[in-house]
Amino acid sequence: AQSVSQHNHHVILSEAASLELGCNYSYGGTVNLFWYVQYPGQHLQLLLKYFSGDPLVKGIKGFEAEFIKSKFSFNLRKPSVQWSDTAEYFCALVPSGGSYIPTFGRGTSLIVHP
Amino acid sequence: DGGITQSPKYLFRKEGQNVTLSCEQNLNHDAMYWYRQDPGQGLRLIYYSQIVNDFQKGDIAEGYSVSREKKESFPLTVTSAQKNPTAFYLCASSVDRAAWGYTFGSGTRLTVV
Repeated sequence: AQSVSQHNHHVILSEAASLELGCNYSYGGTVNLFWYVQYPGQHLQLLLKYFSGDPLVKGIKGFEAEFIKSKFSFNLRKPSVQWSDTAEYFCALVPSGGSYIPTFGRGTSLIVHP
Repeated sequence: DGGITQSPKYLFRKEGQNVTLSCEQNLNHDAMYWYRQDPGQGLRLIYYSQIVNDFQKGDIAEGYSVSREKKESFPLTVTSAQKNPTAFYLCASSVDRAAWGYTFGSGTRLTVV
């Protein structure tokens, strides 16, 4: 069975600080990986996704994530956060095969102080 | 605009009553999903359906039921057997089994008193 771990449950930063949110997964085969964001009062939206190819993936709003297969990780980064990045962030895994059902991490709540 | 509509946004029910949450999509997506979101627990899969007239249990299906009679609709019934029904419920859909990303609805917050 697959699993996703997000170790940082709550992160508080000041504007302009750099961000890195951890995501580790457990699965024995090939995976597709996603980061979703949920802004306060809004629905989940896709930030970025990795299927294959370049392990460094760029998404919307200046976010990027790096897939490191040897570490089973897909950490999300942003060099300089803004107050508007305050949201909950979810990492998700979909196995490349089988039922294609996604497994989500528990989420990381990010608060950015102006 | 294409998307997923969940209604109602807020729902209150008395303990012991069944309640049905609506999820409609006009994206022509094959697959639809129901998740439950609780603070600190992320999204947990309740049920999913990859084609019409077929659905499968997710990780926490006990106390819930679904139907998929039409491609665009995937209602979720929270039954009185669900021990802790108060939660935020999210519906999602994807193009096909390959799940190249998901579109989420805005959710329904159910409070059982």
